[in-house]
Amino acid sequence: NAGVTQTPKFRVLKTGQSMTLLCAQDMNHEYMYWYRQDPGMGLRLIHYSVGEGTTAKGEVPDGYNVSRLKKQNFLLGLESAAPSQTSVYFCASSRDTGTSGTDTQYFGPGTRLTVL
Amino acid sequence: SQELEQSPQSLIVQEGKNLTINCTSSKTLYGLYWYKQKYGEGLIFLMMLQKGGEEKSHEKITAKLDEKKQQSSLHITASQPSHAGIYLCGATKSTSYGKLTFGQGTILTVHP
Repeated sequence: NAGVTQTPKFRVLKTGQSMTLLCAQDMNHEYMYWYRQDPGMGLRLIHYSVGEGTTAKGEVPDGYNVSRLKKQNFLLGLESAAPSQTSVYFCASSRDTGTSGTDTQYFGPGTRLTVL
Repeated sequence: SQELEQSPQSLIVQEGKNLTINCTSSKTLYGLYWYKQKYGEGLIFLMMLQKGGEEKSHEKITAKLDEKKQQSSLHITASQPSHAGIYLCGATKSTSYGKLTFGQGTILTVHP
């Protein structure tokens, strides 16, 4: 039982390049989330999904796109990377507990992205 | 949006000392979560509080939520070097599908 995994662990991009971050979970969770962590700012929600085929915007969605074609995978895409997107990206998942969503979120190990 | 303020931003203690980290909200909290993060790693779930006045403990860590549900504290008794890391509080709203808003984190250093 691997929990939540993320690939890659590290990546360096040049401004304008694109890439996709992959998140996978093996806990059969309905809900999945993408956060970014920047120094002194905690974690901020980028996008989230409440089930296969669904996505929704979080607090800081600009410059990112997501897809949830399979229940166990949640992809985060950067179409044209900018230096402001240099950050550590975390994926998380949780069970479906309705709109309240009061269930533990399990986090992946993170992807450290640098955009030059 | 719901804002969470953590204090202190950083804390350095000697092994064996007790310490407290606070998390304060501008609005009434629904679900309050505490996570620990080691540098370069993901977040490890510690505890979740939902009821006013609730208190939970695990090993030497105790988390409390005040009656008004606007402030939570995390207390570590007899700290050890293994407690070092970044402690983050996160909160959900009642209709948020579990979306977490986080405080900025508290960096804890424990000197042996």
